[in-house]
Amino acid sequence: ETGVTQTPRHLVMGMTNKKSLKCEQHLGHNAMYWYKQSAKKPLELMFVYNFKEQTENNSVPSRFSPECPNSSHLFLHLHTLQPEDSALYLCASSQESRAGDYGYTFGSGTRLTVV
Amino acid sequence: QKEVEQDPGPLSVPEGAIVSLNCTYSNSAFQYFMWYRQYSRKGPELLMYTYSSGNKEDGRFTAQVDKSSKYISLFIRDSQPSDSATYLCAMSGNYGQNFVFGPGTRLSVLP
Repeated sequence: ETGVTQTPRHLVMGMTNKKSLKCEQHLGHNAMYWYKQSAKKPLELMFVYNFKEQTENNSVPSRFSPECPNSSHLFLHLHTLQPEDSALYLCASSQESRAGDYGYTFGSGTRLTVV
Repeated sequence: QKEVEQDPGPLSVPEGAIVSLNCTYSNSAFQYFMWYRQYSRKGPELLMYTYSSGNKEDGRFTAQVDKSSKYISLFIRDSQPSDSATYLCAMSGNYGQNFVFGPGTRLSVLP
């Protein structure tokens, strides 16, 4: 399988639940990203990993916890979320030094609904 | 003022029309510009990339950058129903890093 794969595609969770989103890329990229996409708002960068090391955390609440065990896999652990966290969560990857030429490759996202 | 602004639409045009999608920005340091297309229930996919000012053409698509006006455009010629999607602009001042996205313009091309 090629590209960036995200699972699950849809997730409904209660505010007290704990769940994880998974992202996998088979492109040989060494940078991976989590973005949040809400209706009519720009993509919000949440976390950046370069060579498995977290290089950016855009003031994301601690109820979101990323994990990058290797350069091909990225997780977003969720706990005690709020209804306003409902959104499309997108994973992306890039060859860090070449994102300016080739951009990011995005997955199809996980549609998260917090009830 | 938002860093990147984009008319949210929706924009509806008949098949075959020329479409103009636009973004304005405030940061004069931006010099890498991209356009992404996002179909419903899919992630964004890179459509066009330009560096600094000028035009770039790829088939029916032309990307234009006017840094003096802090304005970028994407033109679609002979638009097709398959072009119906949300179009996102993105820009960066650092090569490959910290791209800032616009909110997207939803385009519908009617057969």
